Amino acid sequence: QKEVEQNSGPLSVPEGAIASLNCTYSDRVSQSFFWYRQYSGKSPELIMSIYSNGDKEDGRFTAQLNKASQYVSLLIRDSQPSDSATYLCAVMNPPPGNKLIFGAGTRLAVHP
Amino acid sequence: DGGITQSPKYLFRKEGQNVTLSCEQNLNHDAMYWYRQDPGQGLRLIYYSQIVNDFQKGDIAEGYSVSREKKESFPLTVTSAQKNPTAFYLCASSVDRGQNGYTFGSGTRLTVV
Repeated sequence: QKEVEQNSGPLSVPEGAIASLNCTYSDRVSQSFFWYRQYSGKSPELIMSIYSNGDKEDGRFTAQLNKASQYVSLLIRDSQPSDSATYLCAVMNPPPGNKLIFGAGTRLAVHP
Repeated sequence: DGGITQSPKYLFRKEGQNVTLSCEQNLNHDAMYWYRQDPGQGLRLIYYSQIVNDFQKGDIAEGYSVSREKKESFPLTVTSAQKNPTAFYLCASSVDRGQNGYTFGSGTRLTVV
């Protein structure tokens, strides 16, 4: 079983819709969770972090965490063509490792 | 501006040749990391260093070597023992051992010719 799993996509949504990206992880004691956006040929950019159960909102982005289900999600409201990218879910190994484990990413395509 | 600089952006390696990828940061971060990304795959950890003069192997360290002689610098050498080195290499750094995530450099794309 992979440590961090994501659907590879592509997830195709129309402009203005809500895009929902999901991620599951295997290590029950993980405490820190991140979403990165990666445009084609570029490096990952951190867009959201979440540490406790529930929702965290930042502009058009909402991260959701459910530790009991070992599930993290990212919602993008009012999706724009510029949101078209690969979204990487990352989970921090607990100490002493303190290493970020990445999923393979979900490719999002927002069409006009 | 603070950030992480990776060079070169593109690198071509001949069979049997060692090459070194540069990673320099001016963020005053203690920890630095090297990841490899292959098409359709996530990032895989090669080596990491949480303090100067110390580093640990990641999940795919075979065929690679690193050094951490200065806080600002964490070069990665891809040796001839690495049989499939063509990939996108990403260097990252973090403060407080990554509890607030990592900052990435712009990457080096290595191709074997």
